[in-house]
Amino acid sequence: QKEVEQNSGPLSVPEGAIASLNCTYSDRGSQSFFWYRQYSGKSPELIMSIYSNGDKEDGRFTAQLNKASQYVSLLIRDSQPSDSATYLCAGRSGGYNKLIFGAGTRLAVHP
Amino acid sequence: GAGVSQSPSNKVTEKGKDVELRCDPISGHTALYWYRQSLGQGLEFLIYFQGNSAPDKSGLPSDRFSAERTGGSVSTLTIQRTQQEDSAVYLCASSLLRESYEQYFGPGTRLTVT
Repeated sequence: QKEVEQNSGPLSVPEGAIASLNCTYSDRGSQSFFWYRQYSGKSPELIMSIYSNGDKEDGRFTAQLNKASQYVSLLIRDSQPSDSATYLCAGRSGGYNKLIFGAGTRLAVHP
Repeated sequence: GAGVSQSPSNKVTEKGKDVELRCDPISGHTALYWYRQSLGQGLEFLIYFQGNSAPDKSGLPSDRFSAERTGGSVSTLTIQRTQQEDSAVYLCASSLLRESYEQYFGPGTRLTVT
């Protein structure tokens, strides 16, 4: 059973701090990883994708992938109250196109 | 450009009735996916279309669930003889299957079976 694991949270950080969200996966064949943000009552919104080991930065967001450790993370710099949402980690396995999602981590940014 | 659209946005139906949910993917996206998200649960894969064919139906929970896609575009998910456990948000996503495999979600259909 291919799995993606996330701490459900809530992760509470003060405004302006760095939020660090983590994800582990069981399928070594997974090649691509994605972070989605989901506000309550809304559908998931893609915020980052990462395909190779290392860091990928986009604005205040940095995704990190370590395939040897089967670990993916998302850093949010200068966290804002508007970042408060559930963050979903998803992996795509080689040969398959469906995404396997973690249960999500709820992030709360307090002023 | 226009994103993924889904209709209806909300559907309330009585147990035992059939329902049809519609998804219109982003123009030019060849791949289309259906997922569902039950209250407080993660996203559960249902079915994947490449063009009009469905090479992966592994997530359909029972034979009451079926889906089709026509013209490589619009897809319909049909649930027959609905049960209360079918209540969930049904999400459709689409993607290009080259360069990246990023999936973009529609707003979802909230199905409530009474």
